[in-house]
Amino acid sequence: GQQLNQSPQSMFIQEGEDVSMNCTSSSIFNTWLWYKQDPGEGPVLLIALYKAGELTSNGRLTAQFGITRKDSFLNISASIPSDVGIYFCAGQLSFNKFYFGSGTKLNVKP
Amino acid sequence: DTGVSQDPRHKITKRGQNVTFRCDPISEHNRLYWYRQTLGQGPEFLTYFQNEAQLEKSRLLSDRFSAERPKGSFSTLEIQRTEQGDSAMYLCASSLGGLDTIYFGEGSWLTVV
Repeated sequence: GQQLNQSPQSMFIQEGEDVSMNCTSSSIFNTWLWYKQDPGEGPVLLIALYKAGELTSNGRLTAQFGITRKDSFLNISASIPSDVGIYFCAGQLSFNKFYFGSGTKLNVKP
Repeated sequence: DTGVSQDPRHKITKRGQNVTFRCDPISEHNRLYWYRQTLGQGPEFLTYFQNEAQLEKSRLLSDRFSAERPKGSFSTLEIQRTEQGDSAMYLCASSLGGLDTIYFGEGSWLTVV
């Protein structure tokens, strides 16, 4: 399958700090999605990106669709304890087929 | 709540037994997906339905796996003769045709002992 390289694999940060994570691929994607997953739960959609260069915010979250269409990043500003979880990127390569990164595990120290 | 609903949430079964998971997608979503997720990994695509038609199946979906969506609404995923390697979370997702965004259910955890 397609390889999505998501980094970092894990992060340990202090409450209030900003966070940045990204996904890269050698393939060109049509859509990028970012999800958050809590233990034992399904992924919850955070942000959807549909056009190269698009920058979209959802509260303290901001994500961008890379201009080359091969990458995307997610920023979280002023992190809080409830931001703890695993964040996944997903890229749509072809019709209705999404490929997922292996996740970034975020730990926030109060 | 009109989100994607999955049942059961947890299933423990003995090796060799058959199991079936059910997914109820978001109302009016005509596309339904099954994914599998193991610890430390992202979800992996298994299969996809548009209405009642199963349009794509991954190589991960061995002949012990079968998925149906008989009336284009809910879907079932059956695993026959379960193996320990089938232990994973099985995720269902749905989307509305024309919008490239998929919404997941809470998942069904399978443990094969």
